[in-house]
Amino acid sequence: DAKTTQPNSMESNEEEPVHLPCNHSTISGTDYIHWYRQLPSQGPEYVIHGLTSNVNNRMASLAIAEDRKSSTLILHRATLRDAAVYYCILRDYRLDSNYQLIWGAGTKLIIKP
Amino acid sequence: NAGVTQTPKFQVLKTGQSMTLQCAQDMNHNSMYWYRQDPGMGLRLIYYSASEGTTDKGEVPNGYNVSRLNKREFSLRLESAAPSQTSVYFCAIQHSTGLYGNQPQHFGDGTRLSIL
Repeated sequence: DAKTTQPNSMESNEEEPVHLPCNHSTISGTDYIHWYRQLPSQGPEYVIHGLTSNVNNRMASLAIAEDRKSSTLILHRATLRDAAVYYCILRDYRLDSNYQLIWGAGTKLIIKP
Repeated sequence: NAGVTQTPKFQVLKTGQSMTLQCAQDMNHNSMYWYRQDPGMGLRLIYYSASEGTTDKGEVPNGYNVSRLNKREFSLRLESAAPSQTSVYFCAIQHSTGLYGNQPQHFGDGTRLSIL
């Protein structure tokens, strides 16, 4: 499975936008890009995913580079509740690869009041 | 994390003791997963069940067994607990029709297990 690279930590101010980068230079054509986050003492929570086009939902936006070798999770207006570890994960959409999510260490997002 | 219930939330065991971690879902999803998470690290897959009646090993299955009791329930058993199994254990579910890679996983709140 292709791997992802994320910064260990990032800081942002409350009520400002946050851009969380992820590099995946070995991504294959069958890999979806998924983002999860994990708040302290909780299980991971699905945030967003995409394949080629940029995606928006109520939680965030996902911007995918044209060559798909990198992506950026965008939180439009960070709140203290967004302080969490954010994981960027590649997920092969083929049937026989469905079981595996390869988790790295993620990016710890710190929100300053 | 409504939809996935894990019990117990905390447990302390002595080396050599056995224990079963329970996971139940009310979302009628076919696939269920057990992960462990060690401090400062991402999750690692222990076992998964693509559908009722099937189970398969993940990345770190040694020392564990699983049972997919029915569509709702997926249990993880430690037959002889070891200190190296001290971890936080997460159960996850996934709707598994169509393109698998296009389906998110939903997680429980975890079981924090300490083995002395």
